[in-house]
Amino acid sequence: ETTLTQSPAFISAAPGDKVSISCKASQGINDDLNWYQQKPGEPAIFIIQEATTLVPGVSPRFSGSGFGTDFTLTINNIESEDAALYFCLQHDNFPWTFGQGTRVDIK
Amino acid sequence: QITLKESGPTLVKPTQSLTLTCNFSGFSLSTHGVGVAWIRQSPGKALEWLALVYWDDYKRYSPSLRSRLSITKDTSRDQVVLTMTNMDPVDSGTYYCVHNILLIPGPIADYWGRGIRVAVSS
Repeated sequence: ETTLTQSPAFISAAPGDKVSISCKASQGINDDLNWYQQKPGEPAIFIIQEATTLVPGVSPRFSGSGFGTDFTLTINNIESEDAALYFCLQHDNFPWTFGQGTRVDIK
Repeated sequence: QITLKESGPTLVKPTQSLTLTCNFSGFSLSTHGVGVAWIRQSPGKALEWLALVYWDDYKRYSPSLRSRLSITKDTSRDQVVLTMTNMDPVDSGTYYCVHNILLIPGPIADYWGRGIRVAVSS
């Protein structure tokens, strides 16, 4: 089973900041990693697929990078609407596994 | 537009079975490549993938929960049902159903339901 270690657990950012979230896999997973945004009571929103591809309709302030074991989600020029929980998912092998999540708060 | 909605009991007693239904729209589970998964999140823990049913009725289960899980699909009713036996308080959490395209290049887990919160308590 592939363990995903996501960090940090919490980020407090000011509007306009650049925020980076890390997701490290315990073994190589190629680019089979997705990123999601979730707000309380709402369905999770798919924002990055295959590590680097922005899902259509998602703000270009979001970007993803990485391959193999190290992945990063970056939010540029962060806005108040970006306050949410962010998590990663690997689907390279079964069972699919998730990072622990990062809560982003906007000051 | 793809939507998924989970339904079922919000409270079950220990040792009872849990049956959850996912009603979906905007796609058909008879379409080649499509699958529906169940995922849960228990308080303070990471999300956990539970089970997946493919368009051709192939099924995959979490190895750690395989003996307790059953996933079935009803294509005519656009439903997927998850059954988990012998529920325990540690199984409390929010259960989600999730749409997938299982042929390369995917996408995997692109649409999620809002989830249903289930508590296991006597």
